[in-house]
Amino acid sequence: EVQLVESGGGLVQPGGSLRLSCAASGFTFSTYSMNWVRQAPGKGLEWVSYISSTGSTMYYADSVKGRFTVSRDNAKNSLYLQMNSLRAEDTAVYYCARPSYCSGGTCDYYHWGQGTLVTVSS
Amino acid sequence: EIVLTQSPGTLSLSPGERATLSCRASQSVSSSYLAWYQQKPGQAPRLLIYGASSRATGIPDRFSGSGSGTDFSLTISRLEPEDFAVYYCQQYGSSPSTFGQGTKVEIK
Repeated sequence: EVQLVESGGGLVQPGGSLRLSCAASGFTFSTYSMNWVRQAPGKGLEWVSYISSTGSTMYYADSVKGRFTVSRDNAKNSLYLQMNSLRAEDTAVYYCARPSYCSGGTCDYYHWGQGTLVTVSS
Repeated sequence: EIVLTQSPGTLSLSPGERATLSCRASQSVSSSYLAWYQQKPGQAPRLLIYGASSRATGIPDRFSGSGSGTDFSLTISRLEPEDFAVYYCQQYGSSPSTFGQGTKVEIK
């Protein structure tokens, strides 16, 4: 059974940093690209970042480009999102998501974690 | 980027009724790379339909997707109590991938 478990969320001040993790199990992690998708409270879904299976290719939404960095450790079956220069508008539940199909860095999202809440506030 | 507009915003129906949700794209969606998700309060989204019309594993056949180009729809043939939720469409044919704003299906 595919499992994705996010961690690392919490309360952080504007301008601060946070590192999210996603622990994957139940599938061969190293053969799948992965994504981060977020959802602000009471709002819709927004794709945040993509990383290829080998970690050689990354893409970001314009809203986070230059501030967020996605990475992975295939030996540890783990996905990460380093978030710097956080803003109030980054407040959201952050989900890691495994696709069934990707093309050119865009994917469907077949499996989702339960999400981790990031709150940016003073 | 492709903007997806879902309608209606809210659909008020009774169990057993048919629900038809619409998703219109600002540009043609490449290769019908259009997905539908269901989300219940406090839960992660669940993939229902991918490739515009293919059901994901374990999704009941009362859910069906159709459409191509710029117009897509999700139909729930007979609403079960567990189907009342928010539904999102997503296109993954062009970068960046984008979502619609959602349609809430509520009990009338």
